[in-house]
Amino acid sequence: DTAVSQTPKYLVTQMGNDKSIKCEQNLGHDTMYWYKQDSKKFLKIMFSYNNKELIINETVPNRFSPKSPDKAHLNLHINSLELGDSAVYFCASSHGWTGTGSYGYTFGSGTRLTVV
Amino acid sequence: GNSVTQMEGPVTLSEEAFLTINCTYTATGYPSLFWYVQYPGEGLQLLLKATKADDKGSNKGFEATYRKETTSFHLEKGSVQVSDSAVYFCALIAGGKLIFGQGTELSVKP
Repeated sequence: DTAVSQTPKYLVTQMGNDKSIKCEQNLGHDTMYWYKQDSKKFLKIMFSYNNKELIINETVPNRFSPKSPDKAHLNLHINSLELGDSAVYFCASSHGWTGTGSYGYTFGSGTRLTVV
Repeated sequence: GNSVTQMEGPVTLSEEAFLTINCTYTATGYPSLFWYVQYPGEGLQLLLKATKADDKGSNKGFEATYRKETTSFHLEKGSVQVSDSAVYFCALIAGGKLIFGQGTELSVKP
């Protein structure tokens, strides 16, 4: 009964390949996010969707393209993978979205991407 | 801009020691504040939160008080256990984004 599930958990791929990470939440939340955690454990938001609409798009290379087919799913496709894309990618969801909301986020367990 | 600063780690303590992890923030207005914990190889779990000044969040023996005057949200626990070894992240929500500090690694030795 995982609340936010990501697949795959591990992904090892060569430079130049294209890969996708999938995320699903069963919490009934209407907002979903992608975060990137680098090797120093620093977490940075990449994208946010509210009811399938993109609301936050940080300064992310356009090789990264999120897609939200419905409010329970948010996928991340990465084209032309580079060594610097190696990181742990976390999906998260929350109930509602406001500028200073008090809602915490529920995170998935992460996808460790290694580009070789 | 909005940001969170945490004390640098790693922090190493003996079991039953007192824990403080400092967190200060910069934000316009009064954002909600959070502590998240990441156990090795896992995702982030919400540990506690506070939504307004002087609120105290608490969970599993951990506490943090929202101090507007010092823009701080320090995490404390009276007696740590080996099972508390993890990375702890302070965070705030502003502009619809959860913004994290750099994380503080805690290692508790038996």
